[in-house]
Amino acid sequence: EAQVTQNPRYLITVTGKKLTVTCSQNMNHEYMSWYRQDPGLGLRQIYYSMNVEVTDKGDVPEGYKVSRKEKRNFPLILESPSPNQTSLYFCASSQTGQPQHFGDGTRLSIL
Amino acid sequence: AQRVTQPEKLLSVFKGAPVELKCNYSYSGSPELFWYVQYSRQRLQLLLRHISRESIKGFTADLNKGETSFHLKKPFAQEEDSAMYYCALSSANTGNQFYFGTGTSLTVIP
Repeated sequence: EAQVTQNPRYLITVTGKKLTVTCSQNMNHEYMSWYRQDPGLGLRQIYYSMNVEVTDKGDVPEGYKVSRKEKRNFPLILESPSPNQTSLYFCASSQTGQPQHFGDGTRLSIL
Repeated sequence: AQRVTQPEKLLSVFKGAPVELKCNYSYSGSPELFWYVQYSRQRLQLLLRHISRESIKGFTADLNKGETSFHLKKPFAQEEDSAMYYCALSSANTGNQFYFGTGTSLTVIP
C-alpha cells in the first residue's frame, strides 16, 4: 500500500532533549516536506526537499533540521526543543513539487 | 506576509444548497493554487489544483487573477462534504515553498 509513515505518532518530552521524528514513503517520490499545524494558523511549511541531498527552508524553519540521505526518508530533527514547538506535525510526499500524500501526523508536546 | 487568506473559519450550509469556500491570495508572479481537504479522522488530501481545471467530487475552482481569488464551489452540497478545507499556494518564485491558508470548516446540515 502506497503511504507516508511518520513515527512516533505522539511524544511528550522536555525542553532541550533532542528528538527526531521520522518520515518514510514507499512511492519513490522525489519531493518530501514537513509542516506544523497550529490552531488558527493552519499548516506552515518547515522544510522541503526536491531530491536526495537537496533540502530547502520553508516558512518556519527556525529550530528545526532535516536531512535527505535517501529518497524514501526525510527525518525532522529538533536539536533543542522548546515549548513553542509543541504542535501537530505532518510529513508529505509527491512526485511533483507540491504535497500530495500526507502522513497521519505526529503530536509533539514539549514541556 | 500572509499569502493565502481564507476569511471564513466556519461555514454551514444545508444539504442540496450551493457552497462556496473563499480563498484569496497575495503574490506577485504566477502562483499555482490548490485546495486540500481533511475529512474527520482521515489524512489531509489534495482535492484539486488550478492548472488541471478538473472537477473532483463535484467541486470546482477557478483562478481569478484580477481578484486574486481561487474560490471553491459546489452547486449542491452533500453531507459527506463536511470537512476542513485548506487553500494553498506554490510558486516557483519562492523556490517551491508552499503556503496554506488557515482553513475553513464546512458543515453540511442534513
